[in-house]
Parts: sequence; structure tokens; C-alpha cells
Amino acid sequence: EDQVTQSPEALRLQEGESSSLNCSYTVSGLRGLFWYRQDPGKGPEFLFTLYSAGEEKEKERLKATLTKKESFLHITAPKPEDSATYLCAVQAANDYKLSFGAGTTVTVRA
Amino acid sequence: NAGVTQTPKFRVLKTGQSMTLLCAQDMNHEYMYWYRQDPGMGLRLIHYSVGEGTTAKGEVPDGYNVSRLKKQNFLLGLESAAPSQTSVYFCASSYTSGEGSFGPGTRLTVT
Repeated sequence: EDQVTQSPEALRLQEGESSSLNCSYTVSGLRGLFWYRQDPGKGPEFLFTLYSAGEEKEKERLKATLTKKESFLHITAPKPEDSATYLCAVQAANDYKLSFGAGTTVTVRA
Repeated sequence: NAGVTQTPKFRVLKTGQSMTLLCAQDMNHEYMYWYRQDPGMGLRLIHYSVGEGTTAKGEVPDGYNVSRLKKQNFLLGLESAAPSQTSVYFCASSYTSGEGSFGPGTRLTVT
């Protein structure tokens, strides 16, 4: 069974204080690993897909990396508008569904 | 494009009542999904569809039924609501399996 564990559960940062979120996973053959952002009261918003170990993707202050066992979402010099819950999900090679982690809630203080 | 829309946004049911949640997408996506989101548990897949006229069970299908009569619509039904079905329900769609576009969610409370 696919498993996704995100840590920490919550992260409080000062504006400009860079940090990283972790997503550890077990899956029988990875088709893709996905990162989403979710604001309170809204649906998840797609950020990145990573397909193979060593791959990296960037968007503004966010950078996602992937190894064979985990993915990191690095937030560089965060701003208050980066406050959100960040969700990680994996998809197995022989499956249609995404298995989600519980998320990391990031709060950035000005 | 409206993207993925969900109706209703909020609903309160009494135990044993039935209801249908409607999901509509205007992106011509083949794949559609229904998830529920509960505190500390992440998103869990209820049912999904890989094309018009098809449906399949996800991780937590018990107590729910779905239909995909039209490509753009995916309906989620609760025949006899239970308090354990209190949750936030999200619909998603995608062109191929993989990253999806999510709707805004339906907050359901069963008393």
C-alpha cells in the first residue's frame, strides 16, 4: 500500500527565514510525486510534478526536489502570502489514484 | 473557463437523509475524482472515473455511490447519511491520470 508521510505537521517562519518541508513515501513504482498548495477553505492548487530521482522544479520562492525515498519543498525567503498548507501526493506506476499525505501547515509572520 | 465547480458549497443533513453532490468541469478532462478531507488524515479517494460512463472504487467507497453519465459531470451520492460522513468533499479532474484541478469543496455536516 502506498504511504506518504509529511513533516513537520506545522511550521512557523519569520518572513525571510528559509526552510524545507519533507515528504517521505513508499510506493511500488513511482509514476509521479505531486506538490499542492491549499489555502483555508479552498481546494488544493497544483504546484509541481516530479517523475524521477534527481529532478528539481522551481516556482518563485518554491523549489521541489526528489530522491528515491523522499521529496523536499524548499521555501526560500518566504513572505506572508506563502502561508498555506502544502500537500504531497504520490501516484504508483500501475494506478490512477493519488495517495496524499496529511500536509504541512506553514505560517509566515511579517 | 470556470474550471471545476461543485454544488452545493455547504450542506447540513440529518442522519439517514440522502443527497447528491454535483461536480462539473469545462476542461474536457477524461479523469474525474471525488475525495474527502478530514483533519489530520489528508485527502482520501472515494470514487473515480476514467471516462464517460465509467466509475471505480477508491480507498473509502463505503456509503457512497457515483455516476458519470456525461463527460463533464461527476455525481456523488449519499443514500443514508451518517455522522462519520461529516467532512469536506473535493472533486478533481485531469486530462490524464496525475495532477488534477480541484474544485472549491463542499462542506457537509451530518447531525
